[in-house]
Amino acid sequence: DTAVSQTPKYLVTQMGNDKSIKCEQNLGHDTMYWYKQDSKKFLKIMFSYNNKELIINETVPNRFSPKSPDKAHLNLHINSLELGDSAVYFCASSPPGVRTEAFFGQGTRLTVV
Amino acid sequence: AQSVTQPDIHITVSEGASLELRCNYSYGATPYLFWYVQSPGQGLQLLLKYFSGDTLVQGIKGFEAEFKRSQSSFNLRKPSVHWSDAAEYFCAVGALSGNNRKLIWGLGTSLAVNP
Repeated sequence: DTAVSQTPKYLVTQMGNDKSIKCEQNLGHDTMYWYKQDSKKFLKIMFSYNNKELIINETVPNRFSPKSPDKAHLNLHINSLELGDSAVYFCASSPPGVRTEAFFGQGTRLTVV
Repeated sequence: AQSVTQPDIHITVSEGASLELRCNYSYGATPYLFWYVQSPGQGLQLLLKYFSGDTLVQGIKGFEAEFKRSQSSFNLRKPSVHWSDAAEYFCAVGALSGNNRKLIWGLGTSLAVNP
């Protein structure tokens, strides 16, 4: 039983293309996140959704657009991909409450060529 | 400002040796502290967490961490390292602003284990 699952695991695409990464969690959590991990392993939060509502939107180009059709899903769509978008993108979720940790997916390694 | 510092970017230990990974935080309120591990090509897995109570917390895979408020530290320890412990380790503090919950991350410590 995969708790937080992302697809695809690997994504290689050309500059200028538009791509999506899907995320689903079956834990019943109310909050979901997208993180970007660069080549130096630095983790940066991009977005946070709580009950389908956008809560956190860090300084991210508007080429990145999250979409949450329901509490269990948070997809990430990226327009006009650039070389600098190459990274590993992690989806995560958290249960309700302040004292809760995040549960991570396996990551999507995006390579823009 | 809220921040997490992991002073050691890279550590190498011999298998069977003890390990301590350092983490210092800056947070105005009661911190909620976490250690995560990321094995190569994998997502992040929670090792342990501290919210309140006993300042020495036990986690999975034989890890423990001690919260020291006076030093603003939450160091991770393991008495005897196994080769499978080679991974990236992240310390994080849970931050709350209104309804916004997020984790503030350290830059990570890469652990290599010599046979």
